[in-house]
Amino acid sequence: DGGITQSPKYLFRKEGQNVTLSCEQNLNHDAMYWYRQDPGQGLRLIYYSQIVNDFQKGDIAEGYSVSREKKESFPLTVTSAQKNPTAFYLCASSMTPSGNQPQHFGDGTRLSIL
Amino acid sequence: AQSVTQPDIHITVSEGASLELRCNYSYGATPYLFWYVQSPGQGLQLLLKYFSGDTLVQGIKGFEAEFKRSQSSFNLRKPSVHWSDAAEYFCAVGANGNKLVFGAGTILRVKS
Repeated sequence: DGGITQSPKYLFRKEGQNVTLSCEQNLNHDAMYWYRQDPGQGLRLIYYSQIVNDFQKGDIAEGYSVSREKKESFPLTVTSAQKNPTAFYLCASSMTPSGNQPQHFGDGTRLSIL
Repeated sequence: AQSVTQPDIHITVSEGASLELRCNYSYGATPYLFWYVQSPGQGLQLLLKYFSGDTLVQGIKGFEAEFKRSQSSFNLRKPSVHWSDAAEYFCAVGANGNKLVFGAGTILRVKS
């Protein structure tokens, strides 16, 4: 079955450490997205990519970095510069990067601070 | 820029009762509108979408939504709620060339 796989499901970060969240899709979608979800705040866009080797900052990109070297993969690195990284992170994809395309979501990664 | 407001943070309904979740959007042209559902610890699942045409759209799990341009609303409804419908529901708006913008969500609790 086609879908989006996020790993790991749970992740713990120590002070000063960078951690990378994995997102893989086999839907052959061009566009991919990373969201951060905090209670009562809905989903906030971190980064998005419309095509391989291209990505743009979303609304809360500070302290995060991404790469898009393959169409299927869009990993997110939470750097030590992100001072409040505890949240639920969701990866999504859509067939094209247009607002008329529904986004398909993975099951998320919950990141906590040790 | 578009925006979405979901006025109700929490809603509690009895099992078997009807449900309406409110969504108001802000966008100058005809928007693309979506409703998603999220169970605890899971990703979001698309319930239904509106692009154009019939203003009453049917989705999965017995949900429907009605687009009302005059009220800038896209409310989600279900005639009879089941305990398994307890979840968080998100309304989202998009436009050509733009990203989706999500509301803050409404948590639905179902009383047995």
